Amino acid sequence: QLQLQESGPGLVKPSETLSLTCTVSGGSISSSSYYWGWIRQPPGKGLEWIGSIYYSGSTYYNPSLKSRVTISVDTSKNQFSLKLSSVTAADTAVYYCARHLYDFWSGYFDAFDIWGQGTMVTVSS
Amino acid sequence: DIQMTQSPSSLSASVGDRVTITCRASQGIRNDLGWYQQKPGKAPKRLIYAASSLQSGVPSRFSGSGSGTEFTLTISSLQPEDFATYYCLQHNSYLTFGQGTKLEIK
Repeated sequence: QLQLQESGPGLVKPSETLSLTCTVSGGSISSSSYYWGWIRQPPGKGLEWIGSIYYSGSTYYNPSLKSRVTISVDTSKNQFSLKLSSVTAADTAVYYCARHLYDFWSGYFDAFDIWGQGTMVTVSS
Repeated sequence: DIQMTQSPSSLSASVGDRVTITCRASQGIRNDLGWYQQKPGKAPKRLIYAASSLQSGVPSRFSGSGSGTEFTLTISSLQPEDFATYYCLQHNSYLTFGQGTKLEIK
């Protein structure tokens, strides 16, 4: 069955760029029925959607984070990636990748149905 | 931006109890809402989509209702494995989660 796995550094220095990759296995990232998203959760707090990407490269970002976020896709590797620039301690969180349901014909975005296990990223000097 | 106000933030209940969690949207979102369950150290799991449709494999004691601005998640008879944190998620305009409801054993 479809699985997603996050990977990347667990420690990032303030003002630097956080970089994570999500590898999709058991299915193709190049499906017209899905975007692929990033969600984060600070320790002890709630969930926040960061943004999502289509296999074509079209992106859909949370307006509150858009200025610092870049999401890209590599269909040859069945991966998509997150870059978050100018990080501070407030960006310390568990970062999840997830499959984001999408209706190609209507352009309608649904929500997330399959998630990775998450990866903890700490911002600290 | 659409804000989601979830209540209560925490809830104590016993096995066998019926519990209800509410999410209110700051503007109408049709039925573009889902409910998720999260256990400590785990990723969220979707329970309900389109406000009232049960995700495949989810026990029928879970149900959702509502449309527009007010939504509820009901667990008809709590089981030990249901003690967790629950989140609503609207996807009508961008995506916004509620603040979460921590369901604890009384």
